[in-house]
Amino acid sequence: QSVLTQPPSVSAAPGQKVTISCSGSTSNIGNSYVSWYQQLPGTAPKLVIYDNHKRPSGIPDRISGSKSGTSATLGITGLQTGDEADYYCGTWDANLSAVVFGGGTKLTVL
Amino acid sequence: QVQLQESGPGLVKPSQTLSLTCTVSGGSLSTGVYYWSWVRQPAGKGLEWIGRIFRSGTTNYNPSLKSRVTISVGTSKTQFSLKLTSVTAADTAVYYCARGLEGSFEGELEYWGQGALVIVSS
Repeated sequence: QSVLTQPPSVSAAPGQKVTISCSGSTSNIGNSYVSWYQQLPGTAPKLVIYDNHKRPSGIPDRISGSKSGTSATLGITGLQTGDEADYYCGTWDANLSAVVFGGGTKLTVL
Repeated sequence: QVQLQESGPGLVKPSQTLSLTCTVSGGSLSTGVYYWSWVRQPAGKGLEWIGRIFRSGTTNYNPSLKSRVTISVGTSKTQFSLKLTSVTAADTAVYYCARGLEGSFEGELEYWGQGALVIVSS
């Protein structure tokens, strides 16, 4: 059971938009920055969003992040087959004094 | 460009200690404001944060693993290590080392190693 809650899977057609939610509490998302990671099959996770909404160098602006209260959302527009991956949210939990991740969401581009 | 590489035994017997080392190239653990973390991922499952260390030696550990985990920095300041005692089959996973974003306390992990598979089996 993950501290952060994500839907197990989402899907959309190429060219469409998808959003992935990440729900937490005041001890984590509500008071900390959220990051998002993309994990392609057989590879290490890759940071795609940090500080709730910022993109590292090289991440396209098709990928966006937002946070409201104790929830965060990852958005991907103009879906491509190369976006098929598992996506994880992460943040710091002050009660646990630990980094926590969501359970991950598998994105399928139909 | 910072690169991280995990190394260590790929097979550990139950009840023994899992030991992994992360070698950092293109940077040093003694410079900058970075947290250095270990994360693991059992096959087909999600990410689990194990713990982290700061250059001062300050550590934070996952409460569920805290009694069995030690993370330390090597004398060369280009390596940090993970020790996990009393392992069971449940500790079988790919283990990643990672570096946090500069100045990030929240554990935003910018650079990752490629991962090392560790199997716990007799």
